[in-house]
Amino acid sequence: KNQVEQSPQSLIILEGKNCTLQCNYTVSPFSNLRWYKQDTGRGPVSLTIMTFSENTKSNGRYTATLDADTKQSSLHITASQLSDSASYICVVTNDNYGQNFVFGPGTRLSVLP
Amino acid sequence: DVKVTQSSRYLVKRTGEKVFLECVQDMDHENMFWYRQDPGLGLRLIYFSYDVKMKEKGDIPEGYSVSREKKERFSLILESASTNQTSMYLCASAGTSVYGYTFGSGTRLTVV
Repeated sequence: KNQVEQSPQSLIILEGKNCTLQCNYTVSPFSNLRWYKQDTGRGPVSLTIMTFSENTKSNGRYTATLDADTKQSSLHITASQLSDSASYICVVTNDNYGQNFVFGPGTRLSVLP
Repeated sequence: DVKVTQSSRYLVKRTGEKVFLECVQDMDHENMFWYRQDPGLGLRLIYFSYDVKMKEKGDIPEGYSVSREKKERFSLILESASTNQTSMYLCASAGTSVYGYTFGSGTRLTVV
């Protein structure tokens, strides 16, 4: 069964600290993996997209890694800010067009001053 | 940038009402999607459409229908709203580029 798991379910960190969120998947075949940030009450916004051949991609203070052999991805946030408080959703797909997206349950990150 | 616009941020409807949620995209995308998002359940696909007047059921289509009369507009219809349809509804659209998949801002629907 195609599944995406994320850990931890929730995380609280202090402003300025780093953190790492995990995503494990069993989706097969694999096309790409996406990380989204979703602010409370808003739609998800794309942070990174990685295909099979990419093992790291950065977007500002966000760095995603992908190990296609172990089917794991991580999202590392550096020097966290209060505005990083959000849910982070991992999405894995075997197509580019959204028809077979498998969504993880998300990690809820709270950054405290 | 692709813009996906959902007509309402917040909506309160009564049980039994017919509810229309509208979604418009401005990038000539072929594919459009409706999801609902509930705590602990993540995003679940209700319906998607890969062309005008075409629609496919997603994972949880019961109680919903959709309409795609024009390429840029995809409507989700709750024929007779029920309290278990209280949820966050998200529209998305996608074209041929892997980078083109974009969500709208969401509509928080409350059925009382």
